[in-house]
Amino acid sequence: GAVVSQHPSRVICKSGTSVKIECRSLDFQATTMFWYRQFPKQSLMLMATSNEGSKATYEQGVEKDKFLINHASLTLSTLTVTSAHPEDSSFYICSARLDTNTEAFFGQGTRLTVV
Amino acid sequence: KQEVTQIPAALSVPEGENLVLNCSFTDSAIYNLQWFRQDPGKGLTSLLLIQSSQREQTSGRLNASLDKSSGRSTLYIAASQPGDSATYLCAVTGNQFYFGTGTSLTVIP
Repeated sequence: GAVVSQHPSRVICKSGTSVKIECRSLDFQATTMFWYRQFPKQSLMLMATSNEGSKATYEQGVEKDKFLINHASLTLSTLTVTSAHPEDSSFYICSARLDTNTEAFFGQGTRLTVV
Repeated sequence: KQEVTQIPAALSVPEGENLVLNCSFTDSAIYNLQWFRQDPGKGLTSLLLIQSSQREQTSGRLNASLDKSSGRSTLYIAASQPGDSATYLCAVTGNQFYFGTGTSLTVIP
């Protein structure tokens, strides 16, 4: 299947700093990319949907100024956690798909720890 | 809003058994349904994708069925192996993905 690469896989940062997570579709052009957050032993919670070249659509309760999403090209989307706090510590996963009727592929996730 | 439920939440079976995981959803207006596997601390691996016009898909020991009218899908795993131990997630898709709560499977050697 297609490959979605997410980087970094783990990151530890100090409270108040910003962290950028990259999501790349390596062998296809992703019209849409999704960003999820997952708490321990829970399912994935959709944070936002991003379409190439347009602003991301955020789910209710997700602060767009805190979680900045950029989808500058058909193969790259980034999530920046700004002014991170310990409560932002979580597992973040991205996914990408060509269009609504095609299979979605997921990155390997990023474990963010804010100390 | 679409709600997706998976039953059971956890399942433990001896190696070699066949098993069925269940997924139900409230809104039948979906594009497709996808089954995923997630190992601890890892991302998701796509297992099977069933288009809304299809009734089932098979891959190796896995068979997934879809009944849109009743809002149900099942994932059948034949001859389970310890390597099948993981969390299995179903997701119904339209413009967004709606994930189920997951079934944690343990296959005991």
